[in-house]
Amino acid sequence: RKEVEQDPGPFNVPEGATVAFNCTYSNSASQSFFWYRQDCRKEPKLLMSVYSSGNEDGRFTAQLNRASQYISLLIRDSKLSDSATYLCVVNWGDSSYKLIFGSGTRLLVRP
Amino acid sequence: DAGVIQSPRHEVTEMGQEVTLRCKPISGHNSLFWYRQTMMRGLELLIYFNNNVPIDDSGMPEDRFSAKMPNASFSTLKIQPSEPRDSAVYFCASSLELSQPQHFGDGTRLSIL
Repeated sequence: RKEVEQDPGPFNVPEGATVAFNCTYSNSASQSFFWYRQDCRKEPKLLMSVYSSGNEDGRFTAQLNRASQYISLLIRDSKLSDSATYLCVVNWGDSSYKLIFGSGTRLLVRP
Repeated sequence: DAGVIQSPRHEVTEMGQEVTLRCKPISGHNSLFWYRQTMMRGLELLIYFNNNVPIDDSGMPEDRFSAKMPNASFSTLKIQPSEPRDSAVYFCASSLELSQPQHFGDGTRLSIL
């Protein structure tokens, strides 16, 4: 089983749609969770951290389910500018600060 | 505010040559990370430093790769000798502390012919 697994997509959605990505991780000792966004030929950029109680940042909502070891990202009212690859990131256990990046889910928002 | 600065942005060289990639972390950040990204393997952590000390280099592919951090504002990743399979985008990232979110530089696009 991969350490961090994501559906590669692409998810092709119209503007204004709501889209959700899921990510599963294999190490139950992981403590830190993030979503990063990467545009084509650019560096990854932090989108948001994921907290145990779930958190929201504008149109973006992140959820964590420790029991099932998955993380989700919900994007509401999607914009053309949301088109990118979304990387699920998990730290490798509570004694390690090594971050493991998923291979990413590609989102295409069409007019 | 200046972000993580990497140089060069692009490097094309012949196999067997020594390649040195450079990184200046965000001022005040104590942790520095080197990653490699390829289509086949995604984003892989090579090595990371905390307070200029290497903490985990288990991701360094082989002895041809070495990294140093002589001070808080500078790090290098060296490949000697380089091989075509080293072609990738190499990212440097820094964070305030080890457990904090990481901020990435623009990357160095390396092509070994």
